[in-house]
Amino acid sequence: LAKTTQPISMDSYEGQEVNITCSHNNIATNDYITWYQQFPSQGPRFIIQGYKTKVTNEVASLFIPADRKSSTLSLPRVSLSDTAVYYCLVGSYSSASKIIFGSGTRLSIRP
Amino acid sequence: DADVTQTPRNRITKTGKRIMLECSQTKGHDRMYWYRQDPGLGLRLIYYSFDVKDINKGEISDGYSVSRQAQAKFSLSLESAIPNQTALYFCATSDLDVRGVSGELFFGEGSRLTVL
Repeated sequence: LAKTTQPISMDSYEGQEVNITCSHNNIATNDYITWYQQFPSQGPRFIIQGYKTKVTNEVASLFIPADRKSSTLSLPRVSLSDTAVYYCLVGSYSSASKIIFGSGTRLSIRP
Repeated sequence: DADVTQTPRNRITKTGKRIMLECSQTKGHDRMYWYRQDPGLGLRLIYYSFDVKDINKGEISDGYSVSRQAQAKFSLSLESAIPNQTALYFCATSDLDVRGVSGELFFGEGSRLTVL
């Protein structure tokens, strides 16, 4: 299983760029890296997915180095509404049982 | 209307009672999942189904059973509820994308179950 390791918590301020790094040393060749956001008492929501290099969408960027043993979610110019728990997942999805939600990173944004 | 609907949203029951949580989806996805979340922890997979005739155990299936009645419906049952099954339960769906990789998970709003 490709276990992931993330910081338990992070703090930042409105308007700052936030980078959350995830370690996944045992990532397999056909595994993708996916990040989800979860607000209290809500289901997680997909943010971004990538395989290698850099992926960018309207809300975030995902940086994956060549060895793919880590990845960094980058949130540009955060606001108070970005306060949430962020999960890094690694898996091929062809085998759902191997997709593990860790404890995530609790991000707190201050005014 | 939500794409993934869970009922009930909240339920309080007593030890030993049978409980069913229902999930229905309008996304047309073949893949459906049940997860459990305990306070301050991530989600743990209970059961998943890749189509109507397919049922698979996740990492914490003991004490639970599921039924995939149709493509759009996936029910989770606790045959004899116990207090340590008190948790927030999420149903999710996904589909394969053009790469043959299962796409993003779409979650319901959750069912909060309390077992006294």
